[in-house]
Amino acid sequence: AQKITQTQPGMFVQEKEAVTLDCTYDTSDPSYGLFWYKQPSSGEMIFLIYQGSYDQQNATEGRYSLNFQKARKSANLVISASQLGDSAMYFCAMGRGSTLGRLYFGRGTQLTVWP
Amino acid sequence: KAGVTQTPRYLIKTRGQQVTLSCSPISGHRSVSWYQQTPGQGLQFLFEYFSETQRNKGNFPGRFSGRQFSNSRSEMNVSTLELGDSALYLCASNRAASGGASGNEQFFGPGTRLTVL
Repeated sequence: AQKITQTQPGMFVQEKEAVTLDCTYDTSDPSYGLFWYKQPSSGEMIFLIYQGSYDQQNATEGRYSLNFQKARKSANLVISASQLGDSAMYFCAMGRGSTLGRLYFGRGTQLTVWP
Repeated sequence: KAGVTQTPRYLIKTRGQQVTLSCSPISGHRSVSWYQQTPGQGLQFLFEYFSETQRNKGNFPGRFSGRQFSNSRSEMNVSTLELGDSALYLCASNRAASGGASGNEQFFGPGTRLTVL
């Protein structure tokens, strides 16, 4: 069974500091993709970053980077230089195979950035 | 490029009624997936449609159904609404191109918030 675990229900970080949100996953498929999404209070799921299981390098997108440790089955999100607008719920998700038509989500981490 | 659009954004229904939600994917995206989000259960997968065929299905009762049209637009229908169906319903699209997972990321619409009274 596919499973995504986010062990931090809430995280607090001061503006301009970096923060790491944890995510571990469990799958027996060799081909999978890992995603992070941001969900502000408005409800929309905003795609942040993606890492494929065969990708050799960790994914980066602006202030977001994904610390992918395949052997440990972890895919932590690192947000550098936090901003007040980063306050939101963050979800880790996994899709299987090459077409990624179904995502399995973790329970999310509520990030609060304070000035 | 326009994003995923969902209509309506908000709905209020009463128990026993039925509802139809609509989703228009990003141009060129062939796969549409639907998810239900509730505070208690989190994000749960409903189904995925690709080329007008249901390709994946989650663990929901038969009251939940969907379809996809030739232009990739999708609808989901919930019949005989129950109070527990109150949720945010999210639609996501991806290219579903063969040849590798990279580039097949799912992009979500703003959601339809359904309230059942």
